Amino acid sequence: EVKLQQSGDELVRPGASVKMSCKASGYTFTDYAMHWVKQSPGQGLEWIGAIIPLIDTTNYNQKFKGKATLTADKSSNTAYMELSRLTSEDSAVYYCARYNSGYYFDYWGQGVMVTVSS
Amino acid sequence: DIQMTQSPSFLSASVGDRVTINCKASQNINKYLNWYQQKLGEDPKLLIYNTNNLQTGIPSRFSGTGSGTDYTLNISSLQSEDVATYFCLQGSSRPLTFGSGTKLEIK
Repeated sequence: EVKLQQSGDELVRPGASVKMSCKASGYTFTDYAMHWVKQSPGQGLEWIGAIIPLIDTTNYNQKFKGKATLTADKSSNTAYMELSRLTSEDSAVYYCARYNSGYYFDYWGQGVMVTVSS
Repeated sequence: DIQMTQSPSFLSASVGDRVTINCKASQNINKYLNWYQQKLGEDPKLLIYNTNNLQTGIPSRFSGTGSGTDYTLNISSLQSEDVATYFCLQGSSRPLTFGSGTKLEIK
């Protein structure tokens, strides 16, 4: 069974950074790209970017360049996203999602709620 | 960026009704249009991929059609468990973009 297990919800101060994880199981981690999506009440769903774990190649939405950094650890089948210089606009739920080569997400993590507040 | 215009934003229908949700792309997306269902507090679930392919395990009352810029999700006979928000995702070009969602309620 394919499963993407994300880390826990975060409460962070403005200006700080946060790093979240997405541990994959039930499939060969390096066979699929991992994408990240932001969901917020104001902006809806936004694609942040993607990483191909096999070759450590990343591709970002221009809007999130400088905000998000995607990495992956093949030894632990885990993808990571770090968000930097957090503001209230970054308060949202963040999902990792496995990208099927047929141009869609077929599995999603359960989401990480990030709250930016002093 | 490809803009995805989804309609309606809100839909109230009765059990047994046929329901239609639309997504219109700002340019041709070559049938790379996917539909997801998100129930309250849950992660999204893939219903239909590449316009009209039913994901494994999804009931056959869900179907998709479309081409070019215009795509539709149909629920042939609405069930109470279909209460959710539905959204589309275009996989044609980066950045990937989503529709704004349709909240479906039972009347």
